Amino acid sequence: GAVVSQHPSWVICKSGTSVKIECRSLDFQATTMFWYRQFPKQSLMLMATSNEGSKATYEQGVEKDKFLINHASLTLSTLTVTSAHPEDSSFYICSAAPLTGTYGYTFGSGTRLTVV
Amino acid sequence: QKEVEQDPGPLSVPEGAIVSLNCTYSNSAFQYFMWYRQYSRKGPELLMYTYSSGNKEDGRFTAQVDKSSKYISLFIRDSQPSDSATYLCAMSAYSNSGYALNFGKGTSLLVTP
Repeated sequence: GAVVSQHPSWVICKSGTSVKIECRSLDFQATTMFWYRQFPKQSLMLMATSNEGSKATYEQGVEKDKFLINHASLTLSTLTVTSAHPEDSSFYICSAAPLTGTYGYTFGSGTRLTVV
Repeated sequence: QKEVEQDPGPLSVPEGAIVSLNCTYSNSAFQYFMWYRQYSRKGPELLMYTYSSGNKEDGRFTAQVDKSSKYISLFIRDSQPSDSATYLCAMSAYSNSGYALNFGKGTSLLVTP
């Protein structure tokens, strides 16, 4: 089945530094990947849609200069949290779907970011 | 009003019970409906997805969609302690972002032995 790998699963960083999170589709190609953020006991909030070979589409209220997204190939999208602050601490999850058009998107295992 | 409403629970049932989980929505353009299971500190796992109205069964799980009422359900038969998790409904319609998912808040389910 479709597998999405996300790395790292857990990261602690100092305030002001940048963190890169990788999302890979292991056994399928994905022109579109989605990045979500989830706070404790809350639902997933879509941050941006990552399109292979073009600029990402950000949801309203998401700072594009703070959350840099690069979708360089059909199997890899990265999210970089720049100049991280404690309020950026959250659970970040990516998802993707095969090109064949199934709309049951597969999710990565998530990255727990803690900024200290 | 949020586009997708889901009672967060928690919902506690004894092992073997039939569990009913529900979501309502307001956007009549939604065409694809999904149920995900999420364990603590893990990514959501797709359980079921359906297109438009109707029923779909997979093992102990049955998904129902009633587009006229804007109401979807997930039934779990013979519930097991391993079913204890948060269940998220999700739905989508085409937009400039493609088929981005709109999630409910999730219902926390606890199945007690």
